[in-house]
Amino acid sequence: QKEVEQNSGPLSVPEGAIASLNCTYSDRGSQSFFWYRQYSGKSPELIMFIYSNGDKEDGRFTAQLNKASQYVSLLIRDSQPSDSATYLCAVIRAGGTSYGKLTFGQGTILTVHP
Amino acid sequence: ETGVTQTPRHLVMGMTNKKSLKCEQHLGHNAMYWYKQSAKKPLELMFVYSLEERVENNSVPSRFSPECPNSSHLFLHLHTLQPEDSALYLCASSQERGLYEQYFGPGTRLTVT
Repeated sequence: QKEVEQNSGPLSVPEGAIASLNCTYSDRGSQSFFWYRQYSGKSPELIMFIYSNGDKEDGRFTAQLNKASQYVSLLIRDSQPSDSATYLCAVIRAGGTSYGKLTFGQGTILTVHP
Repeated sequence: ETGVTQTPRHLVMGMTNKKSLKCEQHLGHNAMYWYKQSAKKPLELMFVYSLEERVENNSVPSRFSPECPNSSHLFLHLHTLQPEDSALYLCASSQERGLYEQYFGPGTRLTVT
């Protein structure tokens, strides 16, 4: 079982729609959760982080965390063609030898078409 | 300069060469990281430095040698690499080692011939 799993996609949505990206993780010791956006040929850019159960909103982005289900999601409202990228989910454990280590999923490719 | 910078942005080297990658963070952070991103594989952690002390070596071959002279600078020394080491090498930093968000530099695209 992969530590962090994402559907690789591609996920295709029309401009203006809501894009929903999902991620599950296997380690119940995970405490910090991140979403990065990576354009082709570029480095990952942090767009959201969440530590507590529930929703966190920032502009058009909403991160949702459910620790009981080991599930974290990212919603992008009013999707724009410029949102087309690979979205990486990453988690950090609370302690142990992996403390501070970002573990990434494979990424979901999102395409927003006009 | 702002954020995290890396040089060079692109590097082509032969298997017998020795080269170094440089990373500098301008965020006042105390932890720095090297990650590797290969095609079709998730980003994977290589090394972690906290307050200039290496705290994790994620089973990386000895042909990769990190160095952290101070909390703002991080190097990755490369020698006798293999073609399978060709990848995007990313530096990141965070406020402290732990649960904090990490910010990435632009990366060095390395090709080993």
